Amino acid sequence: AIRMTQSPSSFSASTGDRVTITCRASQGISSYLAWYQQKPGKAPKLLIYAASTLQSGVPSRFSGSGSGTDFTLTISCLQSEDFATYYCQQYYTYPLTFGGGTKVEIK
Amino acid sequence: EVQLVESGGGLVKPGGSLRLSCAASGFTFSSYSMNWVRQAPGKGLEWVSSISSSSSYIYYADSVKGRFTISRDNAKNSLFLQMNSLRVEDTAVYYCARDSSSGDYVNNYFDYWGQGTLVTVSS
Repeated sequence: AIRMTQSPSSFSASTGDRVTITCRASQGISSYLAWYQQKPGKAPKLLIYAASTLQSGVPSRFSGSGSGTDFTLTISCLQSEDFATYYCQQYYTYPLTFGGGTKVEIK
Repeated sequence: EVQLVESGGGLVKPGGSLRLSCAASGFTFSSYSMNWVRQAPGKGLEWVSSISSSSSYIYYADSVKGRFTISRDNAKNSLFLQMNSLRVEDTAVYYCARDSSSGDYVNNYFDYWGQGTLVTVSS
């Protein structure tokens, strides 16, 4: 199975900060990568697919980049509603696998 | 409006069985592949199983293969997960999730999720 490793696992940031989360695949997955946001007690929400394509309705402050094994999710100007846990997911092959998550907390 | 509503969770003893259901509405259920994804308490997301729109293609995570069975009833807009030989490590919130693509092409990332149903396996 392809292992997805996210870093950091958690960090603190302030509203207005630019933040970057990294996701690394244990083998090449081309651009078959999605990002989700999850808030406590809620279902995940799709943010980005194909590594860099913004899902409809997602604010443009979210962006994704990368291909192969290294990917990033960037939030250009952190808003209060962005404090959440973020997961990457590869869909290059079965079994579909998720990263361990990155929790963005308020500083 | 797309809605996915899971049910059937609860407390079960190790070795027991449980059947989860997911009622879908607001879209043409029979056109979409569907999935189960779980999340153990305080942990990350784990894909469990996928089923194609016509049930022709079914996939499982190794952790549940041989114990869980995914199925669907397109006439009733419903997705199911039959869970047998349950283990303590199967304790999790189980989400049903819709594939983002309809028809024969499957994307394997998920654009709509239910609210989840909690399965607790404990003696």
